[in-house]
Amino acid sequence: DSGVTQTPKHLITATGQRVTLRCSPRSGDLSVYWYQQSLDQGLQFLIQYYNGEERAKGNILERFSAQQFPDLHSELNLSSLELGDSALYFCASSVDRGGLETQYFGPGTRLLVL
Amino acid sequence: DQQVKQNSPSLSVQEGRISILNCDYTNSMFDYFLWYKKYPAEGPTFLISISSIKDKNEDGRFTVFLNKSAKHLSLHIVPSQPGDSAVYFCAASGTLGGGADGLTFGKGTHLIIQP
Repeated sequence: DSGVTQTPKHLITATGQRVTLRCSPRSGDLSVYWYQQSLDQGLQFLIQYYNGEERAKGNILERFSAQQFPDLHSELNLSSLELGDSALYFCASSVDRGGLETQYFGPGTRLLVL
Repeated sequence: DQQVKQNSPSLSVQEGRISILNCDYTNSMFDYFLWYKKYPAEGPTFLISISSIKDKNEDGRFTVFLNKSAKHLSLHIVPSQPGDSAVYFCAASGTLGGGADGLTFGKGTHLIIQP
């Protein structure tokens, strides 16, 4: 158990819909990262938040957005969903003291868009 | 353009022998490298890491070697055990500008330990 929690575990929805994925980082970790794992692309970095502020952006679509709240939990919002958005979405957290740190991953949310 | 490459999608090793998983990278800005292990339907679990100032890091049965000039790292598992069967991801991070950034992952190597 990494200490990172994600809800829900599974999500089934239809094209055009909007969903919100939630992540609680490990106690004391200030950074939250979101990753997408699809069959053909492997694990892709989407976005990072540090202490409530956006810190780094990866391959995140404009239809996707995220935020980190004062209690440090984070939400990833996916809108106008397409079939190709079906994937595993992972959240990771780290302390982020400004150096080389390990990220710890949650169990993921499996999203299926029908 | 894949910046982190794991060229072997799968590897089969006999129990008790050494497993060697390889990883190559192209971005010379990467200075921190990690190996993650992943079981089906679970998140990646951190295994071992190495910073670019070292060429070797050891933790129990797991050793990671880094060859900066060749932009190559490898993970050695010895002796291999049945519970080591999983997908292993190599990941890299560049800290230029400070702070941890999103990791760049390879596509993974499925390690199968044969009894």
